[in-house]
Parts: sequence; C-alpha cells; structure tokens
Amino acid sequence: EPEVTQTPSHQVTQMGQEVILRCVPISNHLYFYWYRQILGQKVEFLVSFYNNEISEKSEIFDDQFSVERPDGSNFTLKIRSTKLEDSAMYFCASSEEAIQYFGAGTRLSVL
Amino acid sequence: GESVGLHLPTLSVQEGDNSIINCAYSNSASDYFIWYKQESGKGPQFIIDIRSNMDKRQGQRVTVLLNKTVKHLSLQIAATQPGDSAVYFCAENIAQGAQKLVFGQGTRLTINP
Repeated sequence: EPEVTQTPSHQVTQMGQEVILRCVPISNHLYFYWYRQILGQKVEFLVSFYNNEISEKSEIFDDQFSVERPDGSNFTLKIRSTKLEDSAMYFCASSEEAIQYFGAGTRLSVL
Repeated sequence: GESVGLHLPTLSVQEGDNSIINCAYSNSASDYFIWYKQESGKGPQFIIDIRSNMDKRQGQRVTVLLNKTVKHLSLQIAATQPGDSAVYFCAENIAQGAQKLVFGQGTRLTINP
C-alpha cells in the first residue's frame, strides 16, 4: 500500500540552526501539506502546496519557514534559525482529493 | 471560526464493548469531516469521512454520525479490540480553494481486557 515517508524520524538541532525535514508523498498525489504537533497537543496545520506553489498557510508559518518540491518526488520543509518552541512532531501529508494521508512524522528537538 | 473540539479527553471501554467518541464543531459552513486514529509514535491514520449532505456513514466496525443542527459529529466503534486503543481526532476540512484540516484536541481511547 502506498504511503507517505518522512526522514529523518528524529532530528536534534541547536537553537539558531537551520533544519530541513524531508517527505516523499504518495506518487500520484497532487496536494502536499505540513502539520505540526507539539507534545500532548492537537495537530496544527502549517501549509498546503499545489502546482509548485503555496496554496494556503497558517499564522504559524512565518518567514522562518519555507517549503519546496525540489524534484518530482520530494517535498521539504525548511526551518531557518530554529527556536526552542519549534520542538514538535512535524507531519507531512498528501492527497489526491479530499482525504489526506499522513507520514509517520519527524520529531524535531531544538536544544 | 475554525474551531473543532471534543467533549471528552479520555474514554475507557471493555474489550468487546462499543465505544462512542464525540466531537463538536463551530463552523456551520463546514461541509466535510474526517476521523483520524493516532497510535503512539505514529502519524494520523484515516478512518472514515463524511460530507455534510449525509447523516451517517458506515465502514468496517466504525460508523460516523453527523448532526448538522447541533454541529455534532460522533465516531462509533463496534466490538472494540485492543488495537483500537489510540487517540482519535475529528478534523474539519476547510476546502476554501486549498484543503486545510482543522483538528480537534483528540480523545484517548483505552480498551481494557
């Protein structure tokens, strides 16, 4: 069964450093998303991406965040100058239509 | 507004019993809802969805009910099994040009042997 894959599963970084979280969406999907989940809290929408551009973004997705589809298979989330409060699980999702399928997530720990 | 909430944070049921997880939403314009299951250390897993032109939809051991009058959504799981233990989220799909899921807080379901 096709699935969304994310790497790495756990990323540890120092405050102020840049990180890139990687995702391989399901191959025939056209819509891509990033969400985050702070420990013990609900899943929060960050950004959606379609046709090589951002469709919608939340207030969380400020200038320190960016997304890119560098090739035909990968979808990345870059966080510049990480802050302690960026520590969370980051989930990538993709969809063909309405149903979004999620990856297992990347746990980001900012020290 | 964009608010999807859950009535109970935790629910415990005996194995084999039925469980009902509730969810309230506030955006009366919402027309599509999804239930996700999240097991420890994993991403949300799609369970079932329903559009606002329906009141009920059934899957394998799961049923979703939608009451638009009171803006209430529920997930019924029949004959619960240990593998049903997880956190369950309802989510509202805001498809205003781009799809965006607004998640509720989640209900932790524990199945007791």
